[in-house]
Amino acid sequence: AQSVTQLDSQVPVFEEAPVELRCNYSSSVSVYLFWYVQYPNQGLQLLLKYLSGSTLVESINGFEAEFNKSQTSFHLRKPSVHISDTAEYFCAVISTGGGSQGNLIFGKGTKLSVKP
Amino acid sequence: NAGVTQTPKFQVLKTGQSMTLQCAQDMNHEYMSWYRQDPGMGLRLIHYSVGAGITDQGEVPNGYNVSRSTTEDFPLRLLSAAPSQTSVYFCASKTSGSSNTGELFFGEGSRLTVL
Repeated sequence: AQSVTQLDSQVPVFEEAPVELRCNYSSSVSVYLFWYVQYPNQGLQLLLKYLSGSTLVESINGFEAEFNKSQTSFHLRKPSVHISDTAEYFCAVISTGGGSQGNLIFGKGTKLSVKP
Repeated sequence: NAGVTQTPKFQVLKTGQSMTLQCAQDMNHEYMSWYRQDPGMGLRLIHYSVGAGITDQGEVPNGYNVSRSTTEDFPLRLLSAAPSQTSVYFCASKTSGSSNTGELFFGEGSRLTVL
């Protein structure tokens, strides 16, 4: 079984400052990792994912996450945030063998609040 | 492309009433699921289905029923609503091909209040 821990429930930050949202996972098997974003009053949408290969993955809007197997972490970073990044961010994990029928396990979410 | 469509978007029920949350997807995904989202709890899996005629329980199935008669539709039924079922409900689907990586596609959510 897998589990996900998001270490911060809320992260307030000023516009143009850097931000890191932390995610640690637990699993006895290989995993795929995801970050989803939920803007206010909307559903979740995929931000980025790690499947294999390079441990650093990037999104189209400037976020990046690094898979660290030894520390079982998948932290999300952005060097300079915008007001429009205000949202709730969810880290999720699934075993590589469970991709087609297995269930994604979500963390409890981190609310990022960007202030002007 | 419609993707995953949920109805209704908002619903208010009285304790003991029944209702069905509808979910439909037009991506020919075999896997469909229902999550509930509560403050500070993240998303918790209620029920899921890996294909028509097949359903299974997730983490918090009590008080909810599902069925999967077609690939496209996966309704969630509350037979006797309770205040503890006040939540935002999300339907999600994914492909079940051999190259599937687990990526879920979500509907926009259904906000349910039980008085």
